[in-house]
Amino acid sequence: DAGITQSPRYKITETGRQVTLMCHQTWSHSYMFWYRQDLGHGLRLIYYSAAADITDKGEVPDGYVVSRSKTENFPLTLESATRSQTSVYFCASTDLTYEQYFGPGTRLTVT
Amino acid sequence: TQLLEQSPQFLSIQEGENLTVYCNSSSVFSSLQWYRQEPGEGPVLLVTVVTGGEVKKLKRLTFQFGDARKDSSLHITAAQPGDTGLYLCAGARTGYDYKLSFGAGTTVTVRA
Repeated sequence: DAGITQSPRYKITETGRQVTLMCHQTWSHSYMFWYRQDLGHGLRLIYYSAAADITDKGEVPDGYVVSRSKTENFPLTLESATRSQTSVYFCASTDLTYEQYFGPGTRLTVT
Repeated sequence: TQLLEQSPQFLSIQEGENLTVYCNSSSVFSSLQWYRQEPGEGPVLLVTVVTGGEVKKLKRLTFQFGDARKDSSLHITAAQPGDTGLYLCAGARTGYDYKLSFGAGTTVTVRA
């Protein structure tokens, strides 16, 4: 049972480039979330999705785009990466409870 | 400004000692969760508390939800090196679409 996976696990990109982080879950959970984790800030919600084709902004959505054409996938795109988007990104899912299950994270460095 | 304030930010203790981590807010939560995160991995849920005054025990870990449902604590008895990690509290509020608000975390190091 794979659960929730993220790819790539590590990514280095240059300022201004577009980059997409992938998230896939095998549980058919309704809700999926994208967080970024930075020292001193804990986990901050970027975007979330209640179901396929339903997405909404979280606390820090600027500079990010999401889509959810299938229940199991929730990609996060940085349209024009900036150094301030250097962070560790976590995807999570839940099925109508408050207990979230997290992926292993993607460490993104923008140079 | 974080909705949930955790303290202390860092905690380093010797194996066998006890420790307590606090999670406080001015907001009322319908439930509160504690996660543990190890380096290079995602957070893993430890416990969910839903009733004011509730106490839950998980082996050497004791979790308490405040009577007013605004705060929580995590107490570890006789800490072991395997307890080392980042502890995060997260609160859920009714009507907020299953979103969680996370504290900044407490980094616990247990020295052998």
